[in-house]
Formats: sequence, structure tokens, C-alpha cells
Amino acid sequence: AQKITQTQPGMFVQEKEAVTLDCTYDTSDPSYGLFWYKQPSSGEMIFLIYQGSYDQQNATEGRYSLNFQKARKSANLVISASQLGDSAMYFCAMREGRTGRRALTFGSGTRLQVQP
Amino acid sequence: SQTIHQWPATLVQPVGSPLSLECTVEGTSNPNLYWYRQAAGRGLQLLFYSVGIGQISSEVPQNLSASRPQDRQFILSSKKLLLSDSGFYLCAWQGAKVSSTEAFFGQGTRLTVV
Repeated sequence: AQKITQTQPGMFVQEKEAVTLDCTYDTSDPSYGLFWYKQPSSGEMIFLIYQGSYDQQNATEGRYSLNFQKARKSANLVISASQLGDSAMYFCAMREGRTGRRALTFGSGTRLQVQP
Repeated sequence: SQTIHQWPATLVQPVGSPLSLECTVEGTSNPNLYWYRQAAGRGLQLLFYSVGIGQISSEVPQNLSASRPQDRQFILSSKKLLLSDSGFYLCAWQGAKVSSTEAFFGQGTRLTVV
């Protein structure tokens, strides 16, 4: 089974509007972390936001917020006031506590295009 | 602050040629190091990870190998490249704790096997 599912291959949003990128995850580990990364056309992976499984409040970082619904196992990224520079691929990732490798498992990504 | 260097940025290699990609980390000690590969338009796939010098774990059977000769150096190699080895390779450093938000990636190497 997929551990991280991003069901939106592509999304369009008008400049200055908000957009939500969906992410659902699957784990039986009570301790885990959820990450969102932005990958522009240059290829670099830019860390955006992190949510721990025990965090009581949703994470926020500037225009980025994470809508964490633990019971539904969803961790959607909300970008407020979209900018043209937000056009990129966005990846949701999970890091589980149980395995020794502590590696990130990535979803397939969502390509966001911000239109003027 | 922690930084991660990866080189080269791009590489075009003929089928059957060897490969060596290098990654070094600064500003931390005993990091967990990772090699990921990204096929065009896809997510990242974990290839190898290392929790210490000489300790390498492989995630998928393949034509590649990894080595960690020093604490902050991680090398991805191949003796004979295949066409299917083409892709975007990313080295990453992560803190050891699950709660750590420290997950940094290098700039990546775009490998084209021709």
C-alpha cells in the first residue's frame, strides 16, 4: 500500500488566491513526522513545513500552513496568497519513528501552476 | 549552519561507463545520509542510507552501490551504467530524531546515460 498519496497530479490557482494541496498517509507507527517540500524547475528540494504526529497545533510557516487531521490521516498543505514564484512541484513526505533508517517516504507530487 | 554539497550538477555518460557522485556535509557530525533518485515527473525513491562510517543499507536491488568513507562523505557509484540509471540523484542529510525538522537536500545531479 502507498504510504503517501497525493491525488492531484496538477493544480491551477490564480495569483493572490489560496490553494490546498492534498496529502494522505498510511502508517501504524504512533510516532511520525510529515514534511512538505517544494521543487522548482531547477530541481532543488526546498523544505517548507513540518508537522509531528504528537503536535497539538497545525504547523504554520509564513504563507504555508499544514491542515493536519490525524484521525483521517491527512496532511494538506495550504498556500495563502499565491505568488507566481510558487509555481513548482510539491511533495508530501513522511518519516516514521519505528524503522532505523529514518528516511523520508515521498508522494508522487503535485505540480502547481500559479496564473497571473 | 549545516550545508550539503553535491557534485557534479549534470552528467552525461555512455552506457557501460563507471559513475561516481559525491556528497559532503558541513556543520554537523555523525549525520544520517541518504541517496534518492527521481525519475522524470515522479517522486523520490530512496536508494541507500547510512547511519555511520562504513554502514550502508540498500533499499532496492540495482546497478548502483554506495560508500561512506568518512563521517560527512557519501558516494554513489556504479561500475557499468545502464540506460535505466538515468535520472535526478539527490543526496540528503537528516537529523537522527523522528521529531527533527532537519532534512536538507543537495542541489542534485542530473544524470543522462546515452
